[in-house]
Amino acid sequence: LAKTTQPISMDSYEGQEVNITCSHNNIATNDYITWYQQFPSQGPRFIIQGYKTKVTNEVASLFIPADRKSSTLSLPRVSLSDTAVYYCLVGDLSGGGGFKTIFGAGTRLFVKA
Amino acid sequence: SQTIHQWPATLVQPVGSPLSLECTVEGTSNPNLYWYRQAAGRGLQLLFYSVGIGQISSEVPQNLSASRPQDRQFILSSKKLLLSDSGFYLCACNKGDSYEQYFGPGTRLTVT
Repeated sequence: LAKTTQPISMDSYEGQEVNITCSHNNIATNDYITWYQQFPSQGPRFIIQGYKTKVTNEVASLFIPADRKSSTLSLPRVSLSDTAVYYCLVGDLSGGGGFKTIFGAGTRLFVKA
Repeated sequence: SQTIHQWPATLVQPVGSPLSLECTVEGTSNPNLYWYRQAAGRGLQLLFYSVGIGQISSEVPQNLSASRPQDRQFILSSKKLLLSDSGFYLCACNKGDSYEQYFGPGTRLTVT
């Protein structure tokens, strides 16, 4: 399982774009990258997943360079409600063994008014 | 989409007492099931995962155990709780071909 490294915390202001970068130097060929958001006293919520290049959905974009050793979650025009912990995960579902996941400490994002 | 139910929402138990946390899943069949624990201010620690009935894999040696008696039921147990077992316990599921895990509301366990 590839280990991930993220900044411990980040501050931003409402309306700004926030980019959170995750390092995963030991990512394997079959590994996918997923990002989750967690509010206090709640379970994490899936945000986005990707394998390479760029993925975009209604809430975020995920940028993955060609070497796949890092990824960047981009949150456009954040609001106060985006204050949460964001986790980057790397793993592989192939082989029928389930998705053994490692949630690191995550990045605490504080959005200020 | 999948819905996960966990109970109880909060639990206060004395050291040495037994534990049983239950998780049930609606809206899917043959899911992968997971138990996580989260200490205050920390990330999630994967405790157990299951890819089918009776199939349990343990990720961390401890005094906890898990069972999957039915396809959509996952139980976390302990015979004797330790103070270090306190934490926020989360059940999650995903389908075998999806990286998106769905999480339950969690159980906050305090061992006194």
